[in-house]
Amino acid sequence: GNSVTQMEGPVTLSEEAFLTINCTYTATGYPSLFWYVQYPGEGLQLLLKATKADDKGSNKGFEATYRKETTSFHLEKGSVQVSDSAVYFCALRSGGSYIPTFGRGTSLIVHP
Amino acid sequence: DGGITQSPKYLFRKEGQNVTLSCEQNLNHDAMYWYRQDPGQGLRLIYYSQIVNDFQKGDIAEGYSVSREKKESFPLTVTSAQKNPTAFYLCATTGFNQPQHFGDGTRLSIL
Repeated sequence: GNSVTQMEGPVTLSEEAFLTINCTYTATGYPSLFWYVQYPGEGLQLLLKATKADDKGSNKGFEATYRKETTSFHLEKGSVQVSDSAVYFCALRSGGSYIPTFGRGTSLIVHP
Repeated sequence: DGGITQSPKYLFRKEGQNVTLSCEQNLNHDAMYWYRQDPGQGLRLIYYSQIVNDFQKGDIAEGYSVSREKKESFPLTVTSAQKNPTAFYLCATTGFNQPQHFGDGTRLSIL
């Protein structure tokens, strides 16, 4: 079956630091990959996505590249802000399936 | 604006009571989902529906029930059989080959 593994949190950084949150997956077929962000007390929001190998998704300074050879989709940002503090979820969806697979989420805390 | 509306935002349940959480969407999406989220935990799928008048159990369906009489609506009932209902409940929708969209959630607590 499909699975998504994210690095354990919390990840604690100072403002303007470089962020990496690791995500690896196993899947049948050729999945689409997603990063979602959840701010406290809210639902999940789609942050970025990639639908095929070597695609790079980007949004709001965040980036992730679909690496088929390493089955990874690591989230990066060059300079984090306090407002980036949230929980980040990596997810995949195999072609034709209505059921996505989510990682357990990684909490990011950014200090001023 | 297109979106997903969950209500109420906060809900309290008494012992032995059934409560119903509302989820309405105007995105014209076929599929709808209910997830449960516990503090510090990921998402667990309760039920999902790909089409009107049809729904499937997810990983933790015991103690919950749903209906899908209209494309726009997918209410979740937390029954008295669910002994530990305190959690954050999220409704989501999707179109074919599209990412999921989520509502803002309902927080259910026990009185």
